[in-house]
Amino acid sequence: KAGVTQTPRYLIKTRGQQVTLSCSPISGHRSVSWYQQTPGQGLQFLFEYFSETQRNKGNFPGRFSGRQFSNSRSEMNVSTLELGDSALYLCASRAGGPYEQYFGPGTRLTVT
Amino acid sequence: AQRVTQPEKLLSVFKGAPVELKCNYSYSGSPELFWYVQYSRQRLQLLLRHISRESIKGFTADLNKGETSFHLKKPFAQEEDSAMYYCALSGVENQGGKLIFGQGTELSVKP
Repeated sequence: KAGVTQTPRYLIKTRGQQVTLSCSPISGHRSVSWYQQTPGQGLQFLFEYFSETQRNKGNFPGRFSGRQFSNSRSEMNVSTLELGDSALYLCASRAGGPYEQYFGPGTRLTVT
Repeated sequence: AQRVTQPEKLLSVFKGAPVELKCNYSYSGSPELFWYVQYSRQRLQLLLRHISRESIKGFTADLNKGETSFHLKKPFAQEEDSAMYYCALSGVENQGGKLIFGQGTELSVKP
């Protein structure tokens, strides 16, 4: 099976812009979770989608949003970018239930 | 508050020496604990989980609810074990979809 893929892999944006990141889960996986990784804060949970519904949400401002499509692919959107949003954004998929999460390679977002 | 603490940012050992990466957690419900590993230039991957009670690549971890710990151990470290290790927690009610990670411990195994 192909692994979790994320596009784009690298992105440079300017403060105030918005960005959309995409995640394609492993075939058959219905759950997609998103994480932000920074040197200072480490890995922080953003949100989880399961069967097109947001099931869990982390402590991030409303500028961070996401959605999931019927084919389980997921997107996350960050509006009005701030310098502090520069990070590696990881998505992970799982089959559902208490199974392991499989991580993608991440999207490196740089905000200038 | 839900929290995972990994007190060591860097752990350096010689090949063949025992290794113990510490992890303590704070969680009011029933936790599921995991160890994830990230080798250089590779993606994050699951190493082991407490409910499996298995040994992967010679590593074991025992959940100690009394001490709220889930330390990762290996009796004889190998150079290929050098990587970043993350302890993570998920509440049973979250069904594994939300992982709370520790800050990570970089393990360096010297020849």
